Amino acid sequence: QKEVEQNSGPLSVPEGAIASLNCTYSDRGSQSFFWYRQYSGKSPELIMFIYSNGDKEDGRFTAQLNKASQYVSLLIRDSQPSDSATYLCAVLLSGAGSYQLTFGKGTKLSVIP
Amino acid sequence: DAGVTQSPTHLIKTRGQQVTLRCSPKSGHDTVSWYQQALGQGPQFIFQYYEEEERQRGNFPDRFSGHQFPNYSSELNVNALLLGDSALYLCASSRTGTGGELFFGSGTQLSVL
Repeated sequence: QKEVEQNSGPLSVPEGAIASLNCTYSDRGSQSFFWYRQYSGKSPELIMFIYSNGDKEDGRFTAQLNKASQYVSLLIRDSQPSDSATYLCAVLLSGAGSYQLTFGKGTKLSVIP
Repeated sequence: DAGVTQSPTHLIKTRGQQVTLRCSPKSGHDTVSWYQQALGQGPQFIFQYYEEEERQRGNFPDRFSGHQFPNYSSELNVNALLLGDSALYLCASSRTGTGGELFFGSGTQLSVL
């Protein structure tokens, strides 16, 4: 079974701090990695995707990928109370014709004012 | 742009009944995926439809079936409902070739009594 693992949290950080969310995956051939944010009672929304090893920055968000370690992370700088949500790591499985996005259980982030 | 629309928003059924959920994709999107999200879990892939065909299926029994229409809208049908089918059912649309860049609808909350 190809899996995506996340610490369920909750992860609590003070306002203005850096929140670090981590994810590991089991399918070594996976090529595409995604972070979705899900507010309580709402549906997931895509915030970042990364395909290559290294860092990708978008505003206050940085996604980091290390394929050798099968590890993806999301950093949120200058965390705001509005960032309080569950963050879902998702991996597009490898293989020809694979369209299945596999999600982790999510990490609940709480930003304390 | 109306985004992804799902109906109904809530549904209550009893064991053994059948249910149909509906989804209209975001304008310009041709691919529809269905996910099941239990409370406290990440979304689980049910199947994906493209060009009116089921392109890939997750680990769900045949009681779960679907359809895609020429206008790209889609239906999810679940037969012989079980208590364990109670969950949030999410429809996500995308443009083919964009992999895991999904746009989710607000979901249908199904309760099986």
